[in-house]
Amino acid sequence: DTAVSQTPKYLVTQMGNDKSIKCEQNLGHDTMYWYKQDSKKFLKIMFSYNNKELIINETVPNRFSPKSPDKAHLNLHINSLELGDSAVYFCASSQYATGSTEAFFGQGTRLTVV
Amino acid sequence: AQTVTQSQPEMSVQEAETVTLSCTYDTSENNYYLFWYKQPPSRQMILVIRQEAYKQQNATENRFSVNFQKAAKSFSLKISDSQLGDTAMYFCAFMQQGGSEKLVFGKGTKLTVNP
Repeated sequence: DTAVSQTPKYLVTQMGNDKSIKCEQNLGHDTMYWYKQDSKKFLKIMFSYNNKELIINETVPNRFSPKSPDKAHLNLHINSLELGDSAVYFCASSQYATGSTEAFFGQGTRLTVV
Repeated sequence: AQTVTQSQPEMSVQEAETVTLSCTYDTSENNYYLFWYKQPPSRQMILVIRQEAYKQQNATENRFSVNFQKAAKSFSLKISDSQLGDTAMYFCAFMQQGGSEKLVFGKGTKLTVNP
């Protein structure tokens, strides 16, 4: 049973298209995140949701819009894709402020914009 | 803002030997957590070890241990009896306690274990 699952694992699309990446966690966590890993492997937070409320938005272009229909899901929608959006996107979840702190990551979605 | 620095972009070690990966961080906070994550070629991010800043005792997990020096803001990872499966990118990460709970990552160290 996968704790944090993302779909799709690979996504190749043309510039200008709109695409979505889905994430689901079955750990009962109340906080979910999107991280971006660039071509140099650098990982940086993009968004965080706690109980469906946005709590972090780290200077991400507004072409990126996260949506959390419930605590177990956090999807990422990207409009008007650009070449620079090519990266690996990781979803993660954790239980906020309980002292546990461990973030569980999905397997990542490799997005390639051509 | 917190920053995490990993000064060794790449390292290599012979199988069965010991290797230490360096990490320093910068914060004005007193309460925080530090982590080492492993990312093998499969791309999965795997937690290796965690340290709470309020604990003086260094964390250990089997062959993995840390040297946490709070005053020096240093958090190195020691891997003993290195195995081929330890070949991966290793990321040091910081999380402020009671904050937004986001992880701030270093740029990573690529570790290769040679047979």
